[in-house]
Amino acid sequence: GESVGLHLPTLSVQEGDNSIINCAYSNSASDYFIWYKQESGKGPQFIIDIRSNMDKRQGQRVTVLLNKTVKHLSLQIAATQPGDSAVYFCAENSASGGSYIPTFGRGTSLIVHP
Amino acid sequence: NAGVTQTPKFRILKIGQSMTLQCTQDMNHNYMYWYRQDPGMGLKLIYYSVGAGITDKGEVPNGYNVSRSTTEDFPLRLELAAPSQTSVYFCASSYSEGQPQHFGDGTRLSIL
Repeated sequence: GESVGLHLPTLSVQEGDNSIINCAYSNSASDYFIWYKQESGKGPQFIIDIRSNMDKRQGQRVTVLLNKTVKHLSLQIAATQPGDSAVYFCAENSASGGSYIPTFGRGTSLIVHP
Repeated sequence: NAGVTQTPKFRILKIGQSMTLQCTQDMNHNYMYWYRQDPGMGLKLIYYSVGAGITDKGEVPNGYNVSRSTTEDFPLRLELAAPSQTSVYFCASSYSEGQPQHFGDGTRLSIL
C-alpha cells in the first residue's frame, strides 16, 4: 500500500498578496530568533533575525514580529512573488550547557500562485 | 567566497558501510554544525564545533563522529551505516554564537 508521509503545514497565496507565516517557540529562555528560507534542493538561507529586546524588525519586503508573552514569532512577506515559494523555518537560540544552540521548527511550505 | 561547500551531493551506501561527509567553509567562521533533515521535518543537530579542536554532541549524535582539526573543515563520519541514517545532511557555519548560520546545499544519503 501507499505510505503516507508527514506533511508540512502549507500556506497557499496569490501573487501580490501579503503572507504571514507563524511559529510557536518552546523555550522561554530563547533570546535570539532567525527566519530561514529553504528552496527545493538547497540549504536554508538567512532571511531576517530578531533579538528578544525587540518586538518588530523590518527588512526588504519582510517583517518579523515577536510576542514573548505567548512565545510566538511571525514572518510577514509583502507583495508575495512566485520566487517566494519555499519552506520557511524559524529557529530559536538559547544557552544550553554553556553554548548557544539553535533549535529549528518543522517549517511551513509557502506556495505562491501566479 | 564559495561559502559552505559539501561533498558529495548524493550517495548510496549499503548497510554496514562507512563514509565521511565533507564540509568546508572559506569565511573564517569559528562555529560549524552538522544537521540532518528528514522528510517534512526541521533540522536536527548532530554535532557542532565552536572552534578547531573542540566538538560537542547535539540532539542526535548516535552513529556519527566528527573532528575539527582546522577552522575550515568539519567532516562527519558514519562508521556503520544503518537505514535510519537515510536523510539529507546539512553543514552550516557561523562567525560566532548568536549569529545567522550559513548552510551548504546538503548531501542526500540513502542507505539500503
